[in-house]
Amino acid sequence: GEDVEQSLFLSVREGDSSVINCTYTDSSSTYLYWYKQEPGAGLQLLTYIFSNMDMKQDQRLTVLLNKKDKHLSLRIADTQTGDSAIYFCAETSGSARQLTFGSGTQLTVLP
Amino acid sequence: DAGVIQSPRHEVTEMGQEVTLRCKPISGHNSLFWYRQTMMRGLELLIYFNNNVPIDDSGMPEDRFSAKMPNASFSTLKIQPSEPRDSAVYFCASSPETGGLSSGYTFGSGTRLTVV
Repeated sequence: GEDVEQSLFLSVREGDSSVINCTYTDSSSTYLYWYKQEPGAGLQLLTYIFSNMDMKQDQRLTVLLNKKDKHLSLRIADTQTGDSAIYFCAETSGSARQLTFGSGTQLTVLP
Repeated sequence: DAGVIQSPRHEVTEMGQEVTLRCKPISGHNSLFWYRQTMMRGLELLIYFNNNVPIDDSGMPEDRFSAKMPNASFSTLKIQPSEPRDSAVYFCASSPETGGLSSGYTFGSGTRLTVV
């Protein structure tokens, strides 16, 4: 079945780069997503990458996709305290192409 | 657009009581999803609708849980009777289609349910 895996925790110093990793299973996923959840809030779409791309950059965010290894990563440059949140990776899978979410990575930015 | 609107934001109820959570999806979105989030189990898909029709309810934990979508602008998730282990944050999300879009899903702010 479909399964999306992420490490649970990541701590970085303010100003450093953060790299959050994700592995997925459905090689036919069309889009892969990164969502951000701040405390007490819902999930907010941060960025996405289409499956025929290797990389996508959006300001401080860089998404890398390795389709061979089914590995997705999110790099946040110059990490700020406001980036502290839970980050979810998601793939499109199943017959209806619905989103399957990972368990989320809690990013803590230390001053 | 006001986004996906959920109510109430917080609900505290006693074990055995009926609980109804409400969701208004984004106008024009054809798919609606109910998720439950807990520390132990993470984000779980409970049920989703496409064009107001339930498509997959395999994530609904027990018969105590039921969901309806009487029209395109409203959905409810009901728990009867509620139990302490139902305590969680319940999210509603909507999408123009079931999946495979760059827009992904748009989530509401959630309802934090506490059953005592």
